[in-house]
Amino acid sequence: GENVEQHPSTLSVQEGDSAVIKCTYSDSASNYFPWYKQELGKGPQLIIDIRSNVGEKKDQRIAVTLNKTAKHFSLHITETQPEDSAVYFCAARVGNTPLVFGKGTRLSVIA
Amino acid sequence: DVKVTQSSRYLVKRTGEKVFLECVQDMDHENMFWYRQDPGLGLRLIYFSYDVKMKEKGDIPEGYSVSREKKERFSLILESASTNQTSMYLCASNQGGWGNEQFFGPGTRLTVL
Repeated sequence: GENVEQHPSTLSVQEGDSAVIKCTYSDSASNYFPWYKQELGKGPQLIIDIRSNVGEKKDQRIAVTLNKTAKHFSLHITETQPEDSAVYFCAARVGNTPLVFGKGTRLSVIA
Repeated sequence: DVKVTQSSRYLVKRTGEKVFLECVQDMDHENMFWYRQDPGLGLRLIYFSYDVKMKEKGDIPEGYSVSREKKERFSLILESASTNQTSMYLCASNQGGWGNEQFFGPGTRLTVL
């Protein structure tokens, strides 16, 4: 089955700097790649997603890139703010099967 | 506003007890999921359901069972709770079809003593 690896497990950045989280997947048939953000005491919430027919997607300060050849995708957060501090999960899906999640990245933005 | 609610935020049970975790969604979603979240292990799928009375095993179903008698409600059952089931349990739901956003509940922190 699909396997998703996520790095780094923890990341600290200064406020205003950029943050990058990387994920790799194993199944070349995967076609949907969402990113979820989990704030303290809450369930994960979708922040951005990308499908296999697109290489890059941007939404204000966040962007996701997908390299199907290398089977990896990345989340980019620019101009980080303290409210970006959270745990971020990447995920991948093959067809209509359940999402497979990475182990998560704890991002700390230091003011 | 989509809402997934879970019956308890915190629960403390004794080893050997039967435990019910309830999840309700109000958006008429077809799919519902139960995950457990542990530090360093991410979100692991326990069971999921694509329809009423239908269930499928996820990656870690051992020691758990589920029930979906109504479309909006998905219950996770620990038949005989053990200390290694101490964890955060998250319920989620989404509309049928791939690529549809999953909505998560706030989680239940279960401690088994």
